[in-house]
Amino acid sequence: DTGVSQDPRHKITKRGQNVTFRCDPISEHNRLYWYRQTLGQGPEFLTYFQNEAQLEKSRLLSDRFSAERPKGSFSTLEIQRTEQGDSAMYLCASSLGLGADTQYFGPGTRLTVL
Amino acid sequence: DAKTTQPPSMDCAEGRAANLPCNHSTISGNEYVYWYRQIHSQGPQYIIHGLKNNETNEMASLIITEDRKSSTLILPHATLRDTAVYYCIVRVGARDNQGGKLIFGQGTELSVKP
Repeated sequence: DTGVSQDPRHKITKRGQNVTFRCDPISEHNRLYWYRQTLGQGPEFLTYFQNEAQLEKSRLLSDRFSAERPKGSFSTLEIQRTEQGDSAMYLCASSLGLGADTQYFGPGTRLTVL
Repeated sequence: DAKTTQPPSMDCAEGRAANLPCNHSTISGNEYVYWYRQIHSQGPQYIIHGLKNNETNEMASLIITEDRKSSTLILPHATLRDTAVYYCIVRVGARDNQGGKLIFGQGTELSVKP
């Protein structure tokens, strides 16, 4: 399968703990996006990378959140000092960064903060 | 805020065509119309996109009105597996270098019934 992959698929943690998620985009896709989705809502944009450069961050991305894409390939999203409000599905998408620039999504990481 | 308006829910009989409408009256000349769907607890799945002309692929057809202020996604022979939330999104392409984040609304919850 050459689609977008995310790891882990599910994460349960206690409030105050740090968590890190990984996203592997489709090969040769230059752009990588992170979104968050809470129950009953559509996905909300968090941040995106063009190669290794983080070019845009949503105000939803508080200082407890940090994302990296060190070599322009995979990306990590870390949440420090998790809160119950961080419970959500975290989605990753990638695109070529050309033309219509269609984004393809991974299966998501479901985070539950107890 | 999302730039599109969709009905919150629709029903369709299995085997019949499902026609999902979307209004995007403020669409700009350089914005594409995208459709994604999301089956429960999965990542959004890309369906189709268009700029001005009608488009068809193996999944669906997209009909865009001449003034581009509305569009319709057509699933020609709906099956039970097409039950999902369908999102209509407008956004610029990569050339306009505006990041191209997707802004999701509430979508249309399509229920295909036997």
